[in-house]
Amino acid sequence: NAGVTQTPKFRVLKTGQSMTLLCAQDMNHEYMYWYRQDPGMGLRLIHYSVGEGTTAKGEVPDGYNVSRLKKQNFLLGLESAAPSQTSVYFCASSYGGDSGTYEQYFGPGTRLTVT
Amino acid sequence: GNSVTQMEGPVTLSEEAFLTINCTYTATGYPSLFWYVQYPGEGLQLLLKATKADDKGSNKGFEATYRKETTSFHLEKGSVQVSDSAVYFCALKRYSTLTFGKGTMLLVSP
Repeated sequence: NAGVTQTPKFRVLKTGQSMTLLCAQDMNHEYMYWYRQDPGMGLRLIHYSVGEGTTAKGEVPDGYNVSRLKKQNFLLGLESAAPSQTSVYFCASSYGGDSGTYEQYFGPGTRLTVT
Repeated sequence: GNSVTQMEGPVTLSEEAFLTINCTYTATGYPSLFWYVQYPGEGLQLLLKATKADDKGSNKGFEATYRKETTSFHLEKGSVQVSDSAVYFCALKRYSTLTFGKGTMLLVSP
């Protein structure tokens, strides 16, 4: 099993450009998450999904959109990139949500720089 | 709301020293608690977890006990190795989402 994979690994964008980050998981997990990691800020939840066709806002959703058309994929879109969106983006997935026994599995991250 | 506070780093230790990284939390109800580890250039990996008060999570020589009375989940290891150098994140889980602390960098020198 590949686990959680993210595409691309690195990307540089100019302000105002758009892009989509792809997350894929092969563990048949229901729940998927997008986080951003910034120095000294820990990980902050952007959006998440509790199943195919569903999405929900996290702590820092502004400037991002997501879609979960297939159970195994979770896409994060930036419609008009801003320098404040320079960050490392992590995707995660888990079997369920409410039970504390379900851990989240993380991808390797995408480093995005917006100039 | 939910929040996690952990000690600021970096924590610098010599090999075989004792490690403690403090973590306290604020949450409604009864959250589950986690420690994740992030090695350089990688994503986060679960290190250990505890799902109810007085539970002790342990893995790879690391331990943490869920203390409801002090709302704490401190990470400890009796003898650190150079390979333990990483960033450690404390997190709590209520319902579907995790809330992370800001992370503590651990640097272990030979």
